[in-house]
Amino acid sequence: DIQMTQSPSSLSASVGDRVTITCRASQSISSYLNWYQQKPGKAPKLLIYAASSLQSGVPSRFSGSGSGTDFTLTISSLQPEDFATYYCQQSYSTSPTFGPGTKVDIK
Amino acid sequence: EVQLVQSGAEVKKPGESLKISCKGSGYSFTSYWIGWVRQMPGKGLEWMGIIYPGDSDTRYSPSFQGQVTISADKSISTAYLQWSSLKASDTAMYYCARPPSGRPSDAFDIWGQGTMVTVSS
Repeated sequence: DIQMTQSPSSLSASVGDRVTITCRASQSISSYLNWYQQKPGKAPKLLIYAASSLQSGVPSRFSGSGSGTDFTLTISSLQPEDFATYYCQQSYSTSPTFGPGTKVDIK
Repeated sequence: EVQLVQSGAEVKKPGESLKISCKGSGYSFTSYWIGWVRQMPGKGLEWMGIIYPGDSDTRYSPSFQGQVTISADKSISTAYLQWSSLKASDTAMYYCARPPSGRPSDAFDIWGQGTMVTVSS
């Protein structure tokens, strides 16, 4: 299996802050990297697919970058509704795997 | 509207069998893969496996191969996840989800609401 790591595991931020979350794959996955947002008690929501493509309906303050093994999710100006847990997922292999998640909470 | 609607919460005893369901609507059920994702209490997401209802082609994560069975009944647009003998460690929320394209490992853009399975003696 391809192992995914994320950093930080959690962060505290204020409304309006720029937030960056990093995801690393244990081997090259080209651009087969997706980002999800999950709020408590809810199903995950796809934000970014193929490393940098914004899913329809997702605000433009979310962006993704990277290729190979290193990827980032950036929220340009954190909004109250963005406090959640964020997961990366590799879709390169026939057995996709998720990162452990990054919890973003209010400072 | 494209939707996946899952069956309700279950409480079972260790050793019992269980089959949970995921009904698709608003799209051609036989033309898209449907996958299953586990989330244990307070933990992250785990990709379990996926099925193509059109021909029942099924793929499993090595971690779940032999532990669960994924199936589908295209006549009623429903996918299933089943266990033959539950363990306490199967306690989790289970989501079904659908990728937007024909590639089984692609991102999931449509999700069910989740089915909570609790296994306790």
